Amino acid sequence: DIQMTQSPSSLSASVGDKVTITCRASQSISSYVVWYQQKPGKAPKFLIYDASTLQSGVPSRFSGSGSGTEFTLTISSLQPEDFAIYFCQQSYSNPYTFGQGTKLEIK
Amino acid sequence: EVQLVESGGGLVQPGGSLRLSCAASGFTFSSFGMHWVRQAPGKGLVWVSLINNDGSTTIYADSVKGRFTVSRDNAKNTLYLQMSSLRAEDTAVYYCARGKTSFDYWGQGTLVTVSS
Repeated sequence: DIQMTQSPSSLSASVGDKVTITCRASQSISSYVVWYQQKPGKAPKFLIYDASTLQSGVPSRFSGSGSGTEFTLTISSLQPEDFAIYFCQQSYSNPYTFGQGTKLEIK
Repeated sequence: EVQLVESGGGLVQPGGSLRLSCAASGFTFSSFGMHWVRQAPGKGLVWVSLINNDGSTTIYADSVKGRFTVSRDNAKNTLYLQMSSLRAEDTAVYYCARGKTSFDYWGQGTLVTVSS
């Protein structure tokens, strides 16, 4: 199975900050990475697929990059509604595995 | 509007069985693969199973293989997960999700608690 390792596990930031979350795959997965946002008590929300393609309706302050084994999710200017947990997922091969999550908290 | 609504969760004893349902609306259900993904309390997301659009292909995580069965009724726009020989470690919120290799729409989840 492909392991996905996110860092950091948690992150404190302020409104307006730029933040970057990293996801590393245990083997090369081309650009087959997806990013989700989850708020407490809610289902995950599909943000970015194919490493860098924004899902329709997702604000442009979100961006993704990377290929091979290292990927990043960047939020250019944090808004209050962005404080949540973010998960990466590899869509390269079954079983489809997720990172452990990064909790983004208000400083 | 795409909607996925899970039901069927609850408290079950170890070794017991439960069937989850996921009612889909707002899209052509028979055109999409569907998945079950679970999340233990306070933990991360774990993919459980996949069924393709016509039900001819099913794939399972090793942790549930032989115990869980995914199926679908395209006439009723409904996805199912039959769970048997349940264990404490199966305790989680179970989400149904639409997609092929990633999950663009999710239900609200249904909680399954395995405990005596």
